[in-house]
Amino acid sequence: SYELTQPPSVSVSPGQTARITCSAAALAKQFAYWYQQKPGQAPVLVIYKDNERPSGIPERFSGSSSGTTVTLTISGVQAEDEADYYCQSADSTGSYVVFGGGTKLTVL
Amino acid sequence: QVQLVQSGAEVKKPGASVKVSCKASGYTFIGYYIHWVRQAPGQGLEWMGWINPNSGVTNYAQKFQGWVTLTRDTSIGTTYMELNRLRSDDTAVYYCARGTPSRGDAFDIWGQGTLVTVSS
Repeated sequence: SYELTQPPSVSVSPGQTARITCSAAALAKQFAYWYQQKPGQAPVLVIYKDNERPSGIPERFSGSSSGTTVTLTISGVQAEDEADYYCQSADSTGSYVVFGGGTKLTVL
Repeated sequence: QVQLVQSGAEVKKPGASVKVSCKASGYTFIGYYIHWVRQAPGQGLEWMGWINPNSGVTNYAQKFQGWVTLTRDTSIGTTYMELNRLRSDDTAVYYCARGTPSRGDAFDIWGQGTLVTVSS
């Protein structure tokens, strides 16, 4: 089955830059999306189509893509950014949606 | 405002079925796909499938084919997810989410989630 690979955890100090990667062969052809999920809450879209930011999402959240890897970057991390982050894309045919395993961002 | 409101928590016995509803408001119901995603306790997100509310056409993840059924009632702007032959490992929070074409079908609006507990 098709999988998106994310690191299980990332830790940064407040004010630093956090980078969370997501890798899979199909990412070279399919868009990626990123969601933030805090405990007990539904996920929230923070990046769509690799690097677009929905209205209301702080500018410190950005996305990029290079070949088979996409990256969510959070610049100037704040305590409130501590959460689980999931990447999402589709298989090479575009028929099936898939999520990465999630990355727990810890703000030290 | 734009929102998806799901039905309340359910407790089911193994082998039973569950049907969760997701009511849309604040936007044109037939203009956006509805996806269903589940999350087992302490685990990640798992996509189950989508329904096109306009046509009723569905697409299921391979794992859930023959096991889950997505339907809709356009008269009340509601989609339904029915999961059959429940097992204890189907205990999870089930979410509906709107896929927005202008954003590449990103899931931009989510329901609040419905906890389904499967226990004897």
